[in-house]
Amino acid sequence: QQPVQSPQAVILREGEDAVINCSSSKALYSVHWYRQKHGEAPIFLMILLKGGEQKGHDKISASFNEKKQQSSLYLTASQLSYSGTYFCGTDYSGYSTLTFGKGTMLLVSP
Amino acid sequence: DAGITQSPRHKVTETGTPVTLRCHQTENHRYMYWYRQDPGHGLRLIHYSYGVKDTDKGEVSDGYSVSRSKTEDFLLTLESATSSQTSVYFCAISEGGSGRMDYEQYFGPGTRLTVT
Repeated sequence: QQPVQSPQAVILREGEDAVINCSSSKALYSVHWYRQKHGEAPIFLMILLKGGEQKGHDKISASFNEKKQQSSLYLTASQLSYSGTYFCGTDYSGYSTLTFGKGTMLLVSP
Repeated sequence: DAGITQSPRHKVTETGTPVTLRCHQTENHRYMYWYRQDPGHGLRLIHYSYGVKDTDKGEVSDGYSVSRSKTEDFLLTLESATSSQTSVYFCAISEGGSGRMDYEQYFGPGTRLTVT
């Protein structure tokens, strides 16, 4: 039950905004967001928990709709460094394992 | 940066040979994970460990085995490598635990494995 990410790819100019969505067909305990640059390891961005608690990057915001089992990552005033592939990871069990989506590729150009 | 290393970083091997990848951490984290990453599939969990000698299967565990005899080391073994196991393998660690959801995962640098 891999979560579905949309869009698959986004191209932005520096300073523009983007929203990346993650949708699940199953109930979630939490949603995690990671960013990966080409040839590098994924790095942690944010965790969103049931009940509204969040933890993570202070320059990136996200939301978690528990009723719809959806999360959205908001990238505002994008910078060149935001380029990369964004993955959402969903925790279905509450036992510290994640199922990742296929990723959303973001390219920010000058 | 979390202290995670993977070895080897690159490996080319022939079909049918055994291969062992090593993940080493210096953070004393309880959980360790092995993922594979392939184009179009994202990150898929192979096996994970929630303590020394405690392991469990992930979604793509067929053809792989793991062992964890020390907190800091988690080994992934391909008993008889096949071309379909050509991939980039990432190890990750976290402080996770039962009922705990606020656990970020930290990833190692990855191992690129090619099976010819």
